[in-house]
Amino acid sequence: GAVVSQHPSRVICKSGTSVKIECRSLDFQATTMFWYRQFPKQSLMLMATSNEGSKATYEQGVEKDKFLINHASLTLSTLTVTSAHPEDSSFYICSARESGGAGDTQYFGPGTRLTVL
Amino acid sequence: AQSVTQLGSHVSVSEGALVLLRCNYSSSVPPYLFWYVQYPNQGLQLLLKYTSAATLVKGINGFEAEFKKSETSFHLTKPSAHMSDAAEYFCAVSARPQAGTALIFGKGTTLSVSS
Repeated sequence: GAVVSQHPSRVICKSGTSVKIECRSLDFQATTMFWYRQFPKQSLMLMATSNEGSKATYEQGVEKDKFLINHASLTLSTLTVTSAHPEDSSFYICSARESGGAGDTQYFGPGTRLTVL
Repeated sequence: AQSVTQLGSHVSVSEGALVLLRCNYSSSVPPYLFWYVQYPNQGLQLLLKYTSAATLVKGINGFEAEFKKSETSFHLTKPSAHMSDAAEYFCAVSARPQAGTALIFGKGTTLSVSS
């Protein structure tokens, strides 16, 4: 099956620093990738939709200047949390939709646990 | 607008018993429906999906789900629970045929399996 990787899997940083999370589709091309955020014991909340070669579409309430998304190629999207603060601590999960794939199936990465001290 | 409601935030069964996780959806267009499983500190794994073919969908690990339009339901079942089935389960919906639509997730159901 299609595989999506995320790097790093876990990161701890000081308040005020920026953190970059990579999401890669390993064996397929993904025109569209999605970034979700998950708080403990809660569901996934969509943050933004990332389209290759164009600007990301952010959900209401998500600060685009704080959560920078770059989808530079058909296999890579990055999420940069700028000037991170403790309230940004969360589990970030990306997913990729296979280009031309049937059924709109999304394949999820293993997630990145961000802890901001 | 689309939405998903998962009835029961926590379901407990004994090993070998039937598993039933409930999901009801709301969609103004014909939906795609999905069930995902998440183990602690991991991403989501696709169990099965409904994309307008057969209404009874079989997935991995012995799970299956039936799409019932009249009841707007997509409940997940497994005849016999195994200890390894203990995890968080999410039902999700997306609009079709709009390409690139993000998934809308339910709040999840935690499945516990006792021996």
